[in-house]
Order: sequence, then structure tokens, then C-alpha cells
Amino acid sequence: DVKVTQSSRYLVKRTGEKVFLECVQDMDHENMFWYRQDPGLGLRLIYFSYDVKMKEKGDIPEGYSVSREKKERFSLILESASTNQTSMYLCASSLGGRGANVLTFGAGSRLTVL
Amino acid sequence: AQSVTQLDSQVPVFEEAPVELRCNYSSSVSVYLFWYVQYPNQGLQLLLKYLSGSTLVESINGFEAEFNKSQTSFHLRKPSVHISDTAEYFCAVSVGNFGNEKLTFGTGTRLTIIP
Repeated sequence: DVKVTQSSRYLVKRTGEKVFLECVQDMDHENMFWYRQDPGLGLRLIYFSYDVKMKEKGDIPEGYSVSREKKERFSLILESASTNQTSMYLCASSLGGRGANVLTFGAGSRLTVL
Repeated sequence: AQSVTQLDSQVPVFEEAPVELRCNYSSSVSVYLFWYVQYPNQGLQLLLKYLSGSTLVESINGFEAEFNKSQTSFHLRKPSVHISDTAEYFCAVSVGNFGNEKLTFGTGTRLTIIP
């Protein structure tokens, strides 16, 4: 089974801190994604990546950046955390290429910004 | 751009009763449709998907969904629910020939089973 591992399940940070959320997948998937999940809003796409060193903005990229230096690792960066970035962050990966590919999700990282 | 509407944010159902979770989408091109489930304190996992072919798709735990192109719907149904079905259910859509690189999710429906 594909595993998507998010390094931190729970984080508490202060306003203005730089925050790194790490995600690693172990099945050589091409595509990786970061979503945030908020009650009543569902999942919203922040950034995604089709390949190493490639990234594309999703629907809500403001206040975030990403890094993909290696195929298996996709990092989400909050340069200066704010309270409105308190949320559940979900990383996912998919095989890539033509055809519909299923997303495999990590367990999530719940970030609280004080 | 595509969008997904899940009108019901919460659905309480008695155990062993039938349930339908509604999903409507909007897209001007052909789509792939998915239902994902999130059990308490877990990540999302795929429940079932429609890619092409038969419009009725089934999951291994008794759920089914029917793709209705004319009504742009992909409602999820189960004839008899169990306590273990308590979870949040997300409908999702992707477009184009390159797969689900950009899945758009609905806002979710929280299914609560009443013993």
C-alpha cells in the first residue's frame, strides 16, 4: 500500500513564526498535493506539484509556499504564520500520467496558530 | 472551472435504515467523479469512483453511487447503514484527460448513525 506520511500530527505555533509541514510518500508517485480542511468549507487546494522542482498554485495559495526538491517529499511552508491559518492540513499523492488517478492522503497535520 | 455542491452538511440516520448523500457538480466538459470517506481522526480514503462505462458504481462495503449526466449528479446511497458508517463523506470531481491532478471537493456531509 502507498503510504503518505505527514511528520507532525499536531503543531502549535505563534503568530509570525515560520512553519514547515513535511510530507513523504513511498510509492514513487509523480503528483503531490497540499489541501487544507476547515469545517463547512471542505478541502481546498493550496499547491500541487507534478514533478520534482515543479509547483503550481491551487485555489488558495496566499500565505503559503512549497518545496519539492526530491520526488518523495513535498513541503508546505508558512513564511509568517497567522491565526487564520489555524487548520487541518492534508497532504496527498497520486501516480500521475494519463487517466484518472486516485489520491492517497496522509493522516493530516492539525496546526494551531496562537 | 468545475465545482461540487453537497447540500446536506449533516445527515442523521437510524441504524439499518437507508441513506442517500447528495452530490451535484458543474462542469462544461466530461468529468471523473469520486466519493471519499473520512472516519473519525483519520485521513481521507477513496470510497468509490466513476471514470467511464457503467453509470452505477459500487464500493466493497455496500455503498453505491450513480452518475447522472443529465442531472449532473453523483448521489451516494446505501440500503442499510451500520454504526461503522459514521464518518464524513466528500464528493469530488476532476476534469480532463490527465487524471485528478486537480480534484475539487465538496464541503462534505457528516453521516451520523443513530443506534
